Amino acid sequence: DTEVTQTPKHLVMGMTNKKSLKCEQHMGHRAMYWYKQKAKKPPELMFVYSYEKLSINESVPSRFSPECPNSSLLNLHLHALQPEDSALYLCASSHSIPGVEKLFFGSGTQLSVL
Amino acid sequence: SQQGEEDPQALSIQEGENATMNCSYKTSINNLQWYRQNSGRGLVHLILIRSNEREKHSGRLRVTLDTSKKSSSLLITASRAADTASYFCATAPTDSWGKLQFGAGTQVVVTP
Repeated sequence: DTEVTQTPKHLVMGMTNKKSLKCEQHMGHRAMYWYKQKAKKPPELMFVYSYEKLSINESVPSRFSPECPNSSLLNLHLHALQPEDSALYLCASSHSIPGVEKLFFGSGTQLSVL
Repeated sequence: SQQGEEDPQALSIQEGENATMNCSYKTSINNLQWYRQNSGRGLVHLILIRSNEREKHSGRLRVTLDTSKKSSSLLITASRAADTASYFCATAPTDSWGKLQFGAGTQVVVTP
């Protein structure tokens, strides 16, 4: 199984809503990532978890709250988002870090904030 | 932050032609990778070249790396309509543990 599964595929939420994005991998990878991608732009790193511990937070606003319940799961909790947060949110995993090797990406969650 | 610059931004070719895109970066790296992304989908890893390698092949893909110029190129030979996608280079800087930084990308359109 070489897949990273993200749910939901699409999400529309209001600025007062609380929602969560989910990501799952069963490749035994110990590093997991959240990226944000705006249309026609490259992915931007948000968070990195290594061995279920938050290793990198790229100064992301607190309205985004990551969680890694176990080595296979990664969540991104969303609260009080702004319309400019609308984007494709990508989860990825890799065998380990440092010297980042091949990333396996999920298909993403297309988020629209109204 | 974005590490790599890619050119061209967009490339339109006919099936059977070769497609070449370039990537430049700013800092010392452990490796450089190329990814493909179909519209609205996740990225797919194509090939990784390490800092001590100069050229690498994988099927119809050929990647070169010139660390003295801090640049890389991706060549897709005998392109197919299915190669239509955005292509991103990504670097793993030596001083940024765990951070893979993506270039701006090249949009490639292959017409039958």
